[in-house]
Amino acid sequence: DAMVIQNPRYQVTQFGKPVTLSCSQTLNHNVMYWYQQKSSQAPKLLFHYYDKDFNNEADTPDNFQSRRPNTSFCFLDIRSPGLGDAAMYLCATSAGGSSLDEQFFGPGTRLTVL
Amino acid sequence: GQNIDQPTEMTATEGAIVQINCTYQTSGFNGLFWYQQHAGEAPTFLSYNVLDGLEEKGRFSSFLSRSKGYSYLLLKELQMKDSASYLCAALDSNYQLIWGAGTKLIIKP
Repeated sequence: DAMVIQNPRYQVTQFGKPVTLSCSQTLNHNVMYWYQQKSSQAPKLLFHYYDKDFNNEADTPDNFQSRRPNTSFCFLDIRSPGLGDAAMYLCATSAGGSSLDEQFFGPGTRLTVL
Repeated sequence: GQNIDQPTEMTATEGAIVQINCTYQTSGFNGLFWYQQHAGEAPTFLSYNVLDGLEEKGRFSSFLSRSKGYSYLLLKELQMKDSASYLCAALDSNYQLIWGAGTKLIIKP
């Protein structure tokens, strides 16, 4: 089945220790998104790629970086995680190119910062 | 600014009907999505409206009024598995999704 896969599902890191979250998709979608979602809050868009075109949200901290080496994979790098970065990180994809652009979500990675 | 408002929490009884309202203010508008999110899981797509009116899909229906900046999600014949958060999200003029914080729906037997 075509899907969006995120690894790991649960990630524990230490304060200040870099961590990388990964996302892959078999949908061959043009657009990939990274969201941060804290408990009982709306998902917050961090950045998205339209093909290789990177789009950073204005309020995304510099601590967060992303890479998309090819269509299928996208990575979220947190260079120096703080306690406030503990959250669920959601990867999503969409076909792109029209207003009817349903986003398909991966299962998420829950990040704990000790 | 851009804003999505929906109730924080609602409670309903198994077998009943519940309506979850959402109002939106966005820079431009290209449609409104409803997603369901169970605790600890990713959101899953429920519906998309871009024209005024009611879209029915099984037990779930979604309504949109563009002139009022208003939508609702109607859930019929509620089942215990419908206990989840329901997220309203509007697509703005840049085709970016503006998300609400979600409505936590609690179903009681």
